[in-house]
Amino acid sequence: AQSVTQPDIHITVSEGASLELRCNYSYGATPYLFWYVQSPGQGLQLLLKYFSGDTLVQGIKGFEAEFKRSQSSFNLRKPSVHWSDAAEYFCAGRGGSTLGRLYFGRGTQLTVWP
Amino acid sequence: DARVTQTPRHKVTEMGQEVTMRCQPILGHNTVFWYRQTMMQGLELLAYFRNRAPLDDSGMPKDRFSAEMPDATLATLKIQPSEPRDSAVYFCASGLGTMNTEAFFGQGTRLTVV
Repeated sequence: AQSVTQPDIHITVSEGASLELRCNYSYGATPYLFWYVQSPGQGLQLLLKYFSGDTLVQGIKGFEAEFKRSQSSFNLRKPSVHWSDAAEYFCAGRGGSTLGRLYFGRGTQLTVWP
Repeated sequence: DARVTQTPRHKVTEMGQEVTMRCQPILGHNTVFWYRQTMMQGLELLAYFRNRAPLDDSGMPKDRFSAEMPDATLATLKIQPSEPRDSAVYFCASGLGTMNTEAFFGQGTRLTVV
């Protein structure tokens, strides 16, 4: 099945530390991949997206993600985490025969210690 | 500032009652998604419309759920009769309908069925 997987349910980091959130995909053709962030009680906000070209994409709020075809991964990174980054992060993808459907991973809850 | 608008934001209803959730997509967007978010299942795609036509509603329980787009500015999701297991946050999202464009999410409707 075509899908995205987020292996980590919950991650805790200290403020100022670096962050990497994992996402793996299983689309046969080049996938279209997205990272969203959800704050409590809010909808989902797009952080960044990848569909072709440079495999390192920059997003809002200082986030970046790298597409690695050899590893079927699209991991989200931030060099220095701020307390306000505490939220739930979702990887999403579409591609192949999904006909435009956008499927989400289960999400990774990020806790930031002061 | 263009945004997806969902009403109501919160709904508490008794089991067996009909529930209607409404969504106003961003003007000019031709795709609409309905998602359900629960702790157990994460974000589930319930229905997907393009140009007001349903492309996929395989994620919806057909016996009680229905989704429609009476016009380009309104999408509805109905549950009749509602059950406690339908308690969740329901999100509407809209997009431009191309593979490389993101979905823009509303704030969600938090439904509680007692």
